[in-house]
Amino acid sequence: GAVVSQHPSWVICKSGTSVKIECRSLDFQATTMFWYRQFPKQSLMLMATSNEGSKATYEQGVEKDKFLINHASLTLSTLTVTSAHPEDSSFYICSARGGLISIGNEQFFGPGTRLTVL
Amino acid sequence: AQSVTQPDIHITVSEGASLELRCNYSYGATPYLFWYVQSPGQGLQLLLKYFSGDTLVQGIKGFEAEFKRSQSSFNLRKPSVHWSDAAEYFCAVVPTSGTYKYIFGTGTRLKVLA
Repeated sequence: GAVVSQHPSWVICKSGTSVKIECRSLDFQATTMFWYRQFPKQSLMLMATSNEGSKATYEQGVEKDKFLINHASLTLSTLTVTSAHPEDSSFYICSARGGLISIGNEQFFGPGTRLTVL
Repeated sequence: AQSVTQPDIHITVSEGASLELRCNYSYGATPYLFWYVQSPGQGLQLLLKYFSGDTLVQGIKGFEAEFKRSQSSFNLRKPSVHWSDAAEYFCAVVPTSGTYKYIFGTGTRLKVLA
């Protein structure tokens, strides 16, 4: 149980285009989803927290107009990188937390999406 | 401020040797504690977690961790390392009040010599 998927697992796009990454909780309802960014050989950096049906809460320094987050249902959150530039290239990881399954506020992590912007 | 420290950025051990990865946290109470492993290009896999009770926690892949309240530590151990254990290891804590967000350590990269 507690499986989180991400799609796509990797994506290459041209500078200036937008890219959407999906995060799904497959076997539980995720009341809260998180989006992280990870640079090579570094730890995870929390970008934003989203609750189903509410606007996402962004961490300081994260451009909300650049990284659009939607959490439209209890099993799906999307991250859209708008007008992507090479500096947005990174590994993006989502996680989900939900109700009784998240004892100790445990988050369940997706496998990550590698974004490369040319 | 709440923080997590993994003092060792890199650790190299020989296959079959024992391993201990250190994790110290700064928080006023006992938080929820987690250890994750990440292979290159992959997501995080949970090794073990501590919420309360027995301070010695058993996890997957032969790992264990011991919570020491007096030292604010949650060190990860394995008695005999396998080559497949080479990866990045992250300690994470979750405060028991407030936003309940994960606070990650900076990670320890483990290299295993054949």
